[in-house]
Amino acid sequence: EIVLTQSPGTLSLSPGERTTLSCRASQSVSSSYLAWYQQKPGQAPRLLIYGASSRATGIPDRFSGSGSGTDFTLTISRLEPEDFAVYYCQQYGSSPLTFGGGTKVEIK
Amino acid sequence: EVQLLESGGGMVQPGGSLRLSCAASGFTFSSYVMSWVRQAPGKGLEWVSGISGGGGSTYYADSVKGRFTISRDNSKNTLYLQMNSLRAEDTAVYYCAKVPRAVYCSSTSCYTYFDYWGQGTLVTVSS
Repeated sequence: EIVLTQSPGTLSLSPGERTTLSCRASQSVSSSYLAWYQQKPGQAPRLLIYGASSRATGIPDRFSGSGSGTDFTLTISRLEPEDFAVYYCQQYGSSPLTFGGGTKVEIK
Repeated sequence: EVQLLESGGGMVQPGGSLRLSCAASGFTFSSYVMSWVRQAPGKGLEWVSGISGGGGSTYYADSVKGRFTISRDNSKNTLYLQMNSLRAEDTAVYYCAKVPRAVYCSSTSCYTYFDYWGQGTLVTVSS
């Protein structure tokens, strides 16, 4: 089973700042089959990125994903008030499908 | 617009059973693999089970294999999860999730992300 480790656990930032979230895999994720989700309190996860770098439908271009192998990142170029949430990565290159533990982006 | 609406959650005693439903609309339900993903209170996400569009292939996480059964009724655009022999560690919000059209599935798993999610239904296993 591929274990995904997200860091840091919490980020305290201000609107307008740029941030980079990390997702590290215990083994190489084949074909860059990595997705990112955003989850706000009391809501379902929302797909942001798939294939490590492809934005999902309707996702603003301030969200971008990169990486390959075991190291992946989600970058938010300029934080908007609605971006404060928990972010999860998920690998789908091997079975079982696994998720990271999440990074909380909170308002400083 | 894709909509997924879960129901059937509630409180049940350890060893009990519960059946979750997910009513789907806004897409051709029978053409898509569907899944259940759960989230324990204050915790991260865990894939639970998946089913092919026609219902002939099913997939389970080891943690629920032999206790949970996924099924679908394409005439009703509804996905189900029958949960038996429930344990305290099954306590979670259960989400119904749609899988993109182009997905590769082997005999044991579908290798996919989830493009739409329902709002979830809470299952609490407690005496």
